[in-house]
Amino acid sequence: NAGVTQTPKFRVLKTGQSMTLLCAQDMNHEYMYWYRQDPGMGLRLIHYSVGEGTTAKGEVPDGYNVSRLKKQNFLLGLESAAPSQTSVYFCASSYREGSGSGNTIYFGEGSWLTVV
Amino acid sequence: KNQVEQSPQSLIILEGKNCTLQCNYTVSPFSNLRWYKQDTGRGPVSLTIMTFSENTKSNGRYTATLDADTKQSSLHITASQLSDSASYICVVIGGTASKLTFGTGTRLQVTL
Repeated sequence: NAGVTQTPKFRVLKTGQSMTLLCAQDMNHEYMYWYRQDPGMGLRLIHYSVGEGTTAKGEVPDGYNVSRLKKQNFLLGLESAAPSQTSVYFCASSYREGSGSGNTIYFGEGSWLTVV
Repeated sequence: KNQVEQSPQSLIILEGKNCTLQCNYTVSPFSNLRWYKQDTGRGPVSLTIMTFSENTKSNGRYTATLDADTKQSSLHITASQLSDSASYICVVIGGTASKLTFGTGTRLQVTL
């Protein structure tokens, strides 16, 4: 049982390049999330999905797009990378809506992205 | 603005000692509070989830307390081990949209 798997783990991009981060979960979870973690700040929600074919904006969605074509996969895209997007990105998933007290959110191992 | 403040920012303790990490929040209305452990270079892993009616919850050597009246929580680690070295993140769920608000974490280092 792999849980939540993110690829790639490390990537260096030049400003203006595009890339996609892939998240896969094998727990049959409905909800999936993309967060970014920056030094001195708590994790911030970029986009989330409440089920296959749905996506919604989080707290810091600008500069990112997402897709949830399959229930187990949630893709995060950067169309034109900027140095401000240098961060650690975490994908997460939960069976039901993550804020419910009975619903644990499971995180992936993180993807380190540097934009130069 | 909903906020979660954690203290101390960092802490060094000797193996075998106990320690307590603090979390103060202003999130309202309150739904539940979580503590996560994040090892260096890894993703956060859930330790406890506490609702309004729970004031203590244990997970092995980890004991979380919650005082919803004063909006404070603590995480007590007993008989620390080297493997406890990590960042501990407090997450409070609440507000009008049941939003997750993450603290910036306390970095704990356990040494010999």
